[in-house]
Amino acid sequence: NAGVTQTPKFQVLKTGQSMTLQCAQDMNHEYMSWYRQDPGMGLRLIHYSVGAGITDQGEVPNGYNVSRSTTEDFPLRLLSAAPSQTSVYFCASRTLAGTDNSPLHFGNGTRLTVT
Amino acid sequence: AQTVTQSQPEMSVQEAETVTLSCTYDTSESDYYLFWYKQPPSRQMILVIRQEAYKQQNATENRFSVNFQKAAKSFSLKISDSQLGDAAMYFCAYCGSGGSNYKLTFGKGTLLTVNP
Repeated sequence: NAGVTQTPKFQVLKTGQSMTLQCAQDMNHEYMSWYRQDPGMGLRLIHYSVGAGITDQGEVPNGYNVSRSTTEDFPLRLLSAAPSQTSVYFCASRTLAGTDNSPLHFGNGTRLTVT
Repeated sequence: AQTVTQSQPEMSVQEAETVTLSCTYDTSESDYYLFWYKQPPSRQMILVIRQEAYKQQNATENRFSVNFQKAAKSFSLKISDSQLGDAAMYFCAYCGSGGSNYKLTFGKGTLLTVNP
């Protein structure tokens, strides 16, 4: 029962460095998304995807890129990290099958610090 | 854009007592979904309960129940017989239907402390 797997769990970057946060799910979910969580701000949607080859922006997309080449994977790329991107990042997925709104399945998060 | 407001940044409750967490939201849609998520210190996001707006009956999951007031756009969470394991950050969340079905909007959270 892997569910949604995020790697790494922790990461420290210097300003200007690039990195990719990995997210994989084994539930054949069509929908995948990335959120960031900051103190006092709740979770805010960065990008999401409704299937392979389809991505769209969320509430706070600037500074992040995504792609969806397979159903299973949805990596989040930071091309030039900034201190403002220090946050906890969550990947979440759900099925789009059926007429009911199925709940999100979350990964365990990645704590990113940019110095 | 939809907004979700949790007006209580922190709440505390005695073990075995009942506590209610508040949530209000703003939307022009008539059909939507509401959720409560729990985030314990482990950082894991756990679905507590969800409510479909078209259903009049309030959702219940064991000790957790909601008071859904559609006209008032209010969605409070009641935790009965509070347990130490209920201590966590609780987030209220909104998701529209149809074309706005892909964006879950969260409130800022309420930190619940359970005192023994």
